[in-house]
Amino acid sequence: AQTVTQSQPEMSVQEAETVTLSCTYDTSESDYYLFWYKQPPSRQMILVIRQEAYKQQNATENRFSVNFQKAAKSFSLKISDSQLGDAAMYFCAYRSAGGATNKLIFGTGTLLAVQP
Amino acid sequence: KAGVTQTPRYLIKTRGQQVTLSCSPISGHRSVSWYQQTPGQGLQFLFEYFSETQRNKGNFPGRFSGRQFSNSRSEMNVSTLELGDSALYLCASSPDGRGGTTQYFGPGTRLTVL
Repeated sequence: AQTVTQSQPEMSVQEAETVTLSCTYDTSESDYYLFWYKQPPSRQMILVIRQEAYKQQNATENRFSVNFQKAAKSFSLKISDSQLGDAAMYFCAYRSAGGATNKLIFGTGTLLAVQP
Repeated sequence: KAGVTQTPRYLIKTRGQQVTLSCSPISGHRSVSWYQQTPGQGLQFLFEYFSETQRNKGNFPGRFSGRQFSNSRSEMNVSTLELGDSALYLCASSPDGRGGTTQYFGPGTRLTVL
């Protein structure tokens, strides 16, 4: 069974600074997808970024980028030029590429605080 | 396009009652997944429906059930409610079940069991 681990329950960053959130996962599959979701206080889950395991190039979405290390089973999220609106709970998630399923396996989340 | 909608947004029930939650996916989306979010257990997958068929189920007791209608709207039902069923229930929709198609989440239904 696949598992996702986020070892940082809470993180804090100064506005305009850079922060990196960690995520590791365990799987025996070779093809899969990894996601970072953001959950602000409104509780609406929002997709931040996704990575396809067969792509070696790290995904980037504006100020958000990932460091995907497939051999190490590591998938960290870097937020550059942090903004107050980035304050939220961040979840790392795994999804198998094989089989007919959309099931996401989530980590326990990292609560990010942004200090003005 | 309108986003994923969930009704009701808040619900208070007592132990032993049953509850039905509704999820309307984004227009054109055929896959709906349900998740339970609690402080203790985090986000856990409940089940997934695609074209009115349940194609995956999480590790939850039989008190939790669901269905999907021909218009892709989905409902989940919890019978004989327990205090531990208090949670935020999230549904997510996607166009289909292939590959890494993005799942879009609704705002959730906050269920409180007294």
